[in-house]
Amino acid sequence: DAKTTQPNSMESNEEEPVHLPCNHSTISGTDYIHWYRQLPSQGPEYVIHGLTSNVNNRMASLAIAEDRKSSTLILHRATLRDAAVYYCILQGAQKLVFGQGTRLTINP
Amino acid sequence: GAVVSQHPSRVICKSGTSVKIECRSLDFQATTMFWYRQFPKQSLMLMATSNEGSKATYEQGVEKDKFLINHASLTLSTLTVTSAHPEDSSFYICSASRGPLNTGELFFGEGSRLTVL
Repeated sequence: DAKTTQPNSMESNEEEPVHLPCNHSTISGTDYIHWYRQLPSQGPEYVIHGLTSNVNNRMASLAIAEDRKSSTLILHRATLRDAAVYYCILQGAQKLVFGQGTRLTINP
Repeated sequence: GAVVSQHPSRVICKSGTSVKIECRSLDFQATTMFWYRQFPKQSLMLMATSNEGSKATYEQGVEKDKFLINHASLTLSTLTVTSAHPEDSSFYICSASRGPLNTGELFFGEGSRLTVL
């Protein structure tokens, strides 16, 4: 499975947008980009996923670079409940292999 | 959204005993289920992929005789940790797919925290 690189941690303020970056320079043409998040002592939760085009849903937006070697998860207006570890995952085969993720802290 | 439930959520056992963890998809049929383990402050590590009616596919380095996985129906998979030792203490998380993963249809359970004394 191709590898992703994310910052270990990020910090933002409540009600401000958050941009979480992910590098995946070895992505193959058929790999999907998935984002999940995990709150403390819980299982991960699906956030968004995409292949080539930018994607929007009620939780977030996913901006995918034209060369697909990087992507950015955008939380448009962070709340305290968005504090979690965010995982960017490349899916080639029918399984998801998690990297280290970014621990997002939201300041009130 | 779809619900995946694990039981028990917490279990404490003595060294040398076996522990079974159940994973159920409550409102959909899951053709594939996945088992992960997670140590404190670390990421999830995929242990195995389980398909209904067939043998599980284990990731490299995961002992299949130690971690027995059974996927007897489209809504139930079980993980049995055999002859548990303190180093097996971990957070075990299952997930179930409702369709191909590229549709985003993968749902996770709440996790089961195993403590081996």
